[in-house]
Order: sequence, then structure tokens, then C-alpha cells
Amino acid sequence: QLQLQESGSGLVKASQTLSLTCVVAGASLSSSDSSWHWIRQTPGKGLEWIGLIYASGKTYYNPSLKSRVTISADRSKTQFSLKLTSLTAADRAVYFCVRGLLGAFDIWGQGIMVTVSS
Amino acid sequence: QSVLTQPPSASGTPGQRVTISCSGSSSTIGSHYVYWYQQLPGTAPKLLIYRNNQRSSGVPDRFSGSKSGTSASLTISGLRSDDEADYYCAIWDDSLSGPVVFGGGTKLTVL
Repeated sequence: QLQLQESGSGLVKASQTLSLTCVVAGASLSSSDSSWHWIRQTPGKGLEWIGLIYASGKTYYNPSLKSRVTISADRSKTQFSLKLTSLTAADRAVYFCVRGLLGAFDIWGQGIMVTVSS
Repeated sequence: QSVLTQPPSASGTPGQRVTISCSGSSSTIGSHYVYWYQQLPGTAPKLLIYRNNQRSSGVPDRFSGSKSGTSASLTISGLRSDDEADYYCAIWDDSLSGPVVFGGGTKLTVL
């Protein structure tokens, strides 16, 4: 059964870089019918799509975050990663890694809370 | 302010039918499939409905989705207390480069 698990630093200083990793168990990142996403949710607010990476390695990002985001994949380790630079208090959120399949987000990680300290 | 507009709240009593709307435009809902997600308190969102009206595996038939023009709806029949959650609509065409857009979410309260 496919499972996703986020890991990384839950506390990052303002202006520094957030680094998160998502380990994928039960599926291959090379599957051509899947895409791998990062989505965040600010406390008490809604969901915001950050970006995705395809099996080909092609990436697409939310235009509002594009200048600060990098998503990469390590297929040998079956994991993909998120880097978000120049953090501010507005980046405080729960970050989810998610599989996309036929347009739907069908498998979600449990999420990791990220706090930005001053 | 999302380009997909949902009412911030909805409510109903057990057994009732509740409908949650998601309003967009010709370039959003009008030209994309709509997806619905349920988020129970303290958990990750869960896929309920894909491609406008298809129930995800294991989702009871009390949940149904529809789309007409630039609006979509999620209907929950036979409301239960454990349906109390946040519900989000979303659009994304897997053949496109994105971006993915979520509605602002609707908090459903079961009275």
C-alpha cells in the first residue's frame, strides 16, 4: 500500500531555507501516471499548492512561490524533496507531500508543521 | 481570495441533505474537472470525488458531486456527525502544467 512520509526541520529561522523530504513507500517515482506534489496549509486557513515533479523530472511551481521553490527527486531512494528559500512568518504552515494521479490527489502524507522563528 | 469560491460554512442536522457549492469561471471550473476533498480535524485531506462526480474508492454513496457550467456542488445525504469536517473543491488538469487551485474551504457543522 502506497504511503508518503514527510521529514525535515520543523523549526526554521526567518530568511533561511526550509528543506523537507518525502519518502515514498509502495510505489516508484518513475511511474508515468503519477506526479508528486507539495501542498501546504497555513494554520486555520486553506490549502495552497506549492509545486510538482513528474517522473521525467519536469517540475512546475505555483507562480506566487516560483522564485523561492525547488522540488527535486531521488529515484534511487524513492523520495522527493522541497526547498523553500527566504522564509518569512507567512511560510508557517503544515506541509504535505501528495501523489497526483489522473488529476486527483489520492494519497497524502500526514503533514509536517513548519514554524518560522525570528 | 481563491478563484474558486466556497461558502465558509454550512450546517445541517443528522439525516439531512447538505449541498456545498464551488463557484468559478469559464476558465476554471468551466474547462476543468472538479475534485472534492474532506479534511477531518487534525488529519490530512482525503479525496472524496474526482472528475466532477466519481466517488473515490471506499467513499459512501451518500457523497455525490456534480458540475454545471462554472459551478460545482458536493452533496452529502443522510448527514452523520462524523461528516463534520472541512471540505475543499479543487481543479487541476493532469495534462497541463498547473497550477492547481483549491477553493477556500467550507466548514461543515453537524448540529
